[in-house]
Amino acid sequence: EIVLTQSPGTLSLSPGERATLSCRASQSVSSSCLAWYQQRPGQAPRLLIYNASSRATGIPDRFSGSGSGTDFTLTISRLEPEDFAVYHCQQCGSSPYTFGQGTKLEIK
Amino acid sequence: EVQLVESGGGLVKPGGSLRLSCVASGFTFSNAWMNWVRQAPGKGLEWVGRVKRKTDGETTEYAAPVKGRFTISRDDSKNTLYLQMNSLKTEDTAVYYCAYYVSGRPYWGQGTLVTVSS
Repeated sequence: EIVLTQSPGTLSLSPGERATLSCRASQSVSSSCLAWYQQRPGQAPRLLIYNASSRATGIPDRFSGSGSGTDFTLTISRLEPEDFAVYHCQQCGSSPYTFGQGTKLEIK
Repeated sequence: EVQLVESGGGLVKPGGSLRLSCVASGFTFSNAWMNWVRQAPGKGLEWVGRVKRKTDGETTEYAAPVKGRFTISRDDSKNTLYLQMNSLKTEDTAVYYCAYYVSGRPYWGQGTLVTVSS
């Protein structure tokens, strides 16, 4: 089973700043099948990025994903107030399709 | 447009059973490997299991916490995925989502809430 470790657990930043979230896998993720989701309180997860770097439909270009193998990054270039939420990564390269424990992005 | 619509959630007592359904549209369901994912209140996301397509043997795989209690099945004639949950525990309380991955791109339904409580 591939274990995904997200860091940091909590990230405190101000609107307008740049956010860098990490997702590290215990083994190489096949075909860079790595997705990022945003989850606001009381809402279902929303797909942001798939295949490590492809933005989902309707996602602003301030969100970008990068990485391969075991190290993946979600970058939000300039934080908007609505970006403060919990972010999850998931690998779909091998079963079981594991998730990271989440990173909470909070307003500083 | 891919659509996944779950139903069947509700309140059930510990030890009880419940069957969830997920009706799919917008893609060739019979060709898809289908998954269930859940999220307990205030917790992270957890993959529950999956069923492969018929031509791949309709093989099922499960996460350790549900193995032996949950069964995933499909009815391709109805474009429907099922999750039969038996011997339910309080820790199975969660929103359950069905999910489909195509070329690495995930599609999820809106979820259905299962509450296990006496």
